[in-house]
Amino acid sequence: QVQLVQSGAEVKKPGASVKVSCKASGYTFTRYHMHWVRQAPGQGLEWMGIINPSGGSTTYAQKFQGRVTMTRDTSTRIVYMELSSLRSEDTAVYYCARDRGDIVVVPAATNELDYWGQGTLVTVSS
Amino acid sequence: EIVLTQSPGTLSLSPGERATLSCGASQSVSSSCLAWYQQKPGQAPRLLIYGASSRATGIPDRFSGSGSGTDFTLTISRLEPEDFAVYYCQQYGTSPLTFGGGTKVEI
Repeated sequence: QVQLVQSGAEVKKPGASVKVSCKASGYTFTRYHMHWVRQAPGQGLEWMGIINPSGGSTTYAQKFQGRVTMTRDTSTRIVYMELSSLRSEDTAVYYCARDRGDIVVVPAATNELDYWGQGTLVTVSS
Repeated sequence: EIVLTQSPGTLSLSPGERATLSCGASQSVSSSCLAWYQQKPGQAPRLLIYGASSRATGIPDRFSGSGSGTDFTLTISRLEPEDFAVYYCQQYGTSPLTFGGGTKVEI
């Protein structure tokens, strides 16, 4: 079965960076795009960007351009999301979520998020 | 970016009742690229509906989606105890992907 297992909670100081991992299993890693979505405490969902695990290409939401980097390691089936220059407003649960579309069938992402990781709480506090 | 407005903010109903949730878009959502997710406390969201009206794998048929353009609806025909949760709509026809603010369905 498809599983996305994320790294544990992090506490960071303002100005620091955080790198969250998402390990995939139960499907062919390189055939499905991966998204990152965050949720501030008690708030709604915010899309951060997407990575193609096959070639590594990325698209980021403009809000995070210059601060976010998404990478992948195909040998370990892990996708990473690094966010830099952290501020208190970045305190949130960060989720990885698999795209529903099979890249082999349709190369473009469907942007429908069918499997989600359990979430990683990142707390930014001085 | 497309702003999605969900209404009502909270829906108070009883098991067995019908729930109707609305999602309005600030501009037309292309190709009915609209999805619905369910989120329970402490859990990740779960995909319910994509393409405005297609149920995701394993989703019971009491959940249905409809709409096009700027107005979309999620209907739960008969509420089960496990359906009490927060529901989010998401548009993916125009980048960036955006989500609505959510509707809480409570007992």
